[in-house]
Amino acid sequence: GAVVSQHPSWVICKSGTSVKIECRSLDFQATTMFWYRQFPKQSLMLMATSNEGSKATYEQGVEKDKFLINHASLTLSTLTVTSAHPEDSSFYICSARVSGSGNEQFFGPGTRLTVL
Amino acid sequence: KNQVEQSPQSLIILEGKNCTLQCNYTVSPFSNLRWYKQDTGRGPVSLTIMTFSENTKSNGRYTATLDADTKQSSLHITASQLSDSASYICVVSALYNDYKLSFGAGTTVTVRA
Repeated sequence: GAVVSQHPSWVICKSGTSVKIECRSLDFQATTMFWYRQFPKQSLMLMATSNEGSKATYEQGVEKDKFLINHASLTLSTLTVTSAHPEDSSFYICSARVSGSGNEQFFGPGTRLTVL
Repeated sequence: KNQVEQSPQSLIILEGKNCTLQCNYTVSPFSNLRWYKQDTGRGPVSLTIMTFSENTKSNGRYTATLDADTKQSSLHITASQLSDSASYICVVSALYNDYKLSFGAGTTVTVRA
């Protein structure tokens, strides 16, 4: 149980285009989903917290207009990187918290974004 | 300054040998501490979770210890296998702010035949 999937697993795009990444909780409902970014040889950095049906809460320094987050259902959250630039190339990981489970977060497999 | 410090940054061990990874934290008040294994290009997978009252937890060949007084934890890998090659991340959460996890930078373990 508690499986989180991400799609796509990797994507290459041209600079200036937008990319959407999906995060799904496959066998549970997640009221809260989190989006992280991880640069090579660094730890995960929280970008934003997404609650179903409400606006996402962004961490300091993360542009909300650039990283659009939609959490339309209890099993799906999307992250759209708008007008992507090479510096946005990174490994994006989502996690989902099971309702009523305390702070247990289950991580997705990640999405590798490369912006040319 | 990161609230979770891990050491060593990386290590190389021979297959079949044991190794121990260290984690020191300053997160307070403490809620729980987790060790995750992250394979290259994959998301983290939970190995163990320990609360304040627990001082050891095992998951197969992985054994984690916790000393809440000194705010230190260790992860011991027994009889290492090639598949143990990965990054091991120590993650600490605080009471009253439980959704915000404090991540260590990880220890990269390479197991060689």
